[in-house]
Order: sequence, then C-alpha cells, then structure tokens
Amino acid sequence: EAGVAQSPRYKIIEKRQSVAFWCNPISGHATLYWYQQILGQGPKLLIQFQNNGVVDDSQLPKDRFSAERLKGVDSTLKIQPAKLEDSAVYLCASSVNRDRNEQFFGPGTRLTVL
Amino acid sequence: GNSVTQMEGPVTLSEEAFLTINCTYTATGYPSLFWYVQYPGEGLQLLLKATKADDKGSNKGFEATYRKETTSFHLEKGSVQVSDSAVYFCALSDRDGSARQLTFGSGTQLTVLP
Repeated sequence: EAGVAQSPRYKIIEKRQSVAFWCNPISGHATLYWYQQILGQGPKLLIQFQNNGVVDDSQLPKDRFSAERLKGVDSTLKIQPAKLEDSAVYLCASSVNRDRNEQFFGPGTRLTVL
Repeated sequence: GNSVTQMEGPVTLSEEAFLTINCTYTATGYPSLFWYVQYPGEGLQLLLKATKADDKGSNKGFEATYRKETTSFHLEKGSVQVSDSAVYFCALSDRDGSARQLTFGSGTQLTVLP
C-alpha cells in the first residue's frame, strides 16, 4: 500500500512570495490533515478535511494560508504572501475517516523563507 | 484545552542502555494516547498507542502504559539500539467538536551511541 505522498520535499523562497504544497493521501482515506511543524516543536494542526469539506480550520491563518481538496482526494496548501515565521516543515496526514484514531503521515515539505 | 508535556531533550544514551521518556497530559474527556517517532528526513510514524486507562501499548521493544491517575504515558525500552536514534513525540487524541484532533508534545531527540 502506497503511503502519503507530498511534494516538493524542499522549497526556498523569499518573503512576500507565494508557495504551494501538494499532498496525495493513502487511497480510500476520507480524512486529510495539514500540520505545521516549526523547528524544535511538535506538529500543529492547520486544517482538517473530510472528503472535500473542511471540518476544522480554526488554526489556519486565513489572511495568508489557504487549502483545498476539490475532488476529495489530493489537496493543496498555499501561502501568499509568505513571512519569515512561516519557515517550517508542512506535514500532510490521512486517516480512514475522522473517527479513526490512527493518522498516517507523509515525509513533509521543508519550507525556508528568506 | 488539551496539552502534552514531554521531558526536554536531547537524550544521549549508550547502546543497550535503558530508556525512559516522560510524558504527561491534560485533557477533557477520555483521550487516546500515542507515541510517534520521526527519523531524520522522514515523516512521523506511529510507534504505539493506548486507547483507555491501564492499557499498555507496545511495539519494537518499546512500551508505554496509560496511567489515568497520574495523567502519564511514559515511553520505555529496556535496551536501546543505535537505530533507535530519532525524535519521539507523545500525542493525544480527543474529540473536539466533530473531529478527532491530535495534540503533540514538543518532541524528545534521542541519540544512541555505539
């Protein structure tokens, strides 16, 4: 069974530029999560999807971050414009559905904002 | 709100030494508890879990017991190997509205020397 795929693995941009990350969850997983992991900290949930609907985006900085999962499969997270403090690893995870505890994580995208 | 507190690292041990990484939590309701491991350059992998009080999770020689009376879920291994070098995250999952959300500790870096 293929795991959660993410791309790119690394991205370096300058502040005020925009950037997008892509995630393809495990086949058949209805729930998809985006986390932000700042160096030295645990992951923090940004947004959670159930199929193509948003379940929770309470911690997403909506003035600059957006995410979509239009067909209920893969997802894109965008930052526009980026700030220095957005430098982090962005992790995507999926689970069978929102009532199942186990989340499977992708390798992450390491973003550096200069 | 929910929170997880882990012992601060980094932790450096010699091969075959005994490992304990402390984890305590604060949560409403009846959370499930997890340990995730993150190897360099990779995403988080579920190491073990426990879903109710007094449950013991175990995997690859690691163990942790869900102690409701002390709100703890300490990770232990009797004899560590160099290959166990990684960052370990304690996490809890509790229902928040309609979604199960993972709350992570800040992680503990473990280095095992040959």
